[in-house]
Amino acid sequence: EPEVTQTPSHQVTQMGQEVILRCVPISNHLYFYWYRQILGQKVEFLVSFYNNEISEKSEIFDDQFSVERPDGSNFTLKIRSTKLEDSAMYFCASSYGTGGSPLHFGNGTRLTVT
Amino acid sequence: QKEVEQNSGPLSVPEGAIASLNCTYSDRGSQSFFWYRQYSGKSPELIMSIYSNGDKEDGRFTAQLNKASQYVSLLIRDSQPSDSATYLCAVNLRGGADGLTFGKGTHLIIQP
Repeated sequence: EPEVTQTPSHQVTQMGQEVILRCVPISNHLYFYWYRQILGQKVEFLVSFYNNEISEKSEIFDDQFSVERPDGSNFTLKIRSTKLEDSAMYFCASSYGTGGSPLHFGNGTRLTVT
Repeated sequence: QKEVEQNSGPLSVPEGAIASLNCTYSDRGSQSFFWYRQYSGKSPELIMSIYSNGDKEDGRFTAQLNKASQYVSLLIRDSQPSDSATYLCAVNLRGGADGLTFGKGTHLIIQP
């Protein structure tokens, strides 16, 4: 069964550094998403991406964050100048269609900012 | 403000019994509803989707939707210890490429 893959599984970085989280969505999916989950809290929407541009972003997704689809398979989330409160599990997800289609999640990247 | 509410639990159910998980949502315009299962430290895994009022069954799982009451539920029959996890209710407001809004999840414990 096709799946969403994320790398790395765990990233440790120092405060103020830039990190790039990588994702390979399911190949025939058209919509891509990033979510995050702070330990013990709920899964929060960050951004959705379609046709090489951002479709929607939440209040969390400020100028510190950016997304990119640099080639036909990868989808990346860049966090500039990381803060302690950015420590969380970051999930990439993809779906074939619009909001009515189920999202399929990757295994996540655990980001630890020290 | 879009909100999805769930009782955080823990909900403890004996093995073999029916587990009933509930979710309410604030936005009457919501159109798509999903249940995900999340094991500790793992990613959400899709269990069921439901789009219209009534019941939808898939194996041991039944999702129920009542849009008038803004209420969606998940029943797990013949509960197994492997069903012990956090169950996340997720709602999509419109038919576009909007993100899902998740509830905090209900922690379910199946007692052998």
